[in-house]
Amino acid sequence: NAGVTQTPKFRVLKTGQSMTLLCAQDMNHEYMYWYRQDPGMGLRLIHYSVGEGTTAKGEVPDGYNVSRLKKQNFLLGLESAAPSQTSVYFCASSYIWGLENTEAFFGQGTRLTVV
Amino acid sequence: RKEVEQDPGPFNVPEGATVAFNCTYSNSASQSFFWYRQDCRKEPKLLMSVYSSGNEDGRFTAQLNRASQYISLLIRDSKLSDSATYLCVVNMADRGSTLGRLYFGRGTQLTVWP
Repeated sequence: NAGVTQTPKFRVLKTGQSMTLLCAQDMNHEYMYWYRQDPGMGLRLIHYSVGEGTTAKGEVPDGYNVSRLKKQNFLLGLESAAPSQTSVYFCASSYIWGLENTEAFFGQGTRLTVV
Repeated sequence: RKEVEQDPGPFNVPEGATVAFNCTYSNSASQSFFWYRQDCRKEPKLLMSVYSSGNEDGRFTAQLNRASQYISLLIRDSKLSDSATYLCVVNMADRGSTLGRLYFGRGTQLTVWP
């Protein structure tokens, strides 16, 4: 049981380049999340999804796009990378019990540097 | 007011000390509460869920006070290996929605020294 898998684990981009981060979960979870974490800032929600085909904005969505075409995958895209997007990105997933989220499981993170 | 607020610390305590973290949340209708632990450069992992009656797991005790909308985590007999950042997590519904999502506090940093 792999849980939540993020690819790639490390990446260096030049300013203006684009890339896609992939998150895959094998737990049949409804909810999936993308966070970024910067020193002293805690986890900040970028976008999230409550199910296949749905997405919603979080706290810091600008400069990012997402898609959830399949329930198990949640993609995060950077169309034109900027140095301010240098960060550690975490994907997470959780399932719903009634109307409540249960425990969230995290991927190991992607360390992205934009130069 | 942020949805979930924690004292960022840092807390620096000697081995064997007892340390307590508090967290406040904004939505009185919230029903699910958690404490997560995050080690340096690693992903957050569930430490324990928080139940209405309070719950204990070895040296860790979690309490919920619904009236005051706060959650606490008590660590007894601190070990060097307890050094980490502790995140308070609450399930809350977005405005106008019946579905909730998880809100994370910024975390409280703990360092246990020998």
